[in-house]
Amino acid sequence: GAVVSQHPSRVICKSGTSVKIECRSLDFQATTMFWYRQFPKQSLMLMATSNEGSKATYEQGVEKDKFLINHASLTLSTLTVTSAHPEDSSFYICSAPTSGGVNEQFFGPGTRLTVL
Amino acid sequence: QKEVEQNSGPLSVPEGAIASLNCTYSDRGSQSFFWYRQYSGKSPELIMFIYSNGDKEDGRFTAQLNKASQYVSLLIRDSQPSDSATYLCAVNIGNQFYFGTGTSLTVIP
Repeated sequence: GAVVSQHPSRVICKSGTSVKIECRSLDFQATTMFWYRQFPKQSLMLMATSNEGSKATYEQGVEKDKFLINHASLTLSTLTVTSAHPEDSSFYICSAPTSGGVNEQFFGPGTRLTVL
Repeated sequence: QKEVEQNSGPLSVPEGAIASLNCTYSDRGSQSFFWYRQYSGKSPELIMFIYSNGDKEDGRFTAQLNKASQYVSLLIRDSQPSDSATYLCAVNIGNQFYFGTGTSLTVIP
């Protein structure tokens, strides 16, 4: 199946700093990528849809100025958590759908963010 | 109204039994249906997808889709302790994917 990578897998930062998370599709091109957040024992929450060549689409309640998304190429999307606070500590997961036939969606391995 | 609903469980079955997971969806425009497995602390991994009414089998897993009743289910035969995880149902509408809250499954040795 298709492979999606994320970097870093785990990051610990101080409150007030910014953290960048990269999501790459390794063997296919993705014009769209999705960013999710998952708190412990809760389901995936879609944060935003990253679109190559245009602005990201944010879900209701997600601050676009705090969670900056850049879809730089057909294989790379980045999520930057600006001025991170302890409540931003979560598991961030990206995914990318393939475009052939049924839209299968493949997830990256996730990034565990801990804000001290 | 939630797009996709699942019983959160937890669901417990003995090893070797059949585990049955259910999911209902609200939008009749839903095109494709997916089952993902998520182990604690890991990202979801695709088990299988289905888009036509009826059954689709893959090894110990069988997905069942009934579009008239708007439900999709996943059967796991000969359940193993390694199947213990949270199972997420997802539906695809256009370019959007909608996930259920997941069902926690525990297979008891």
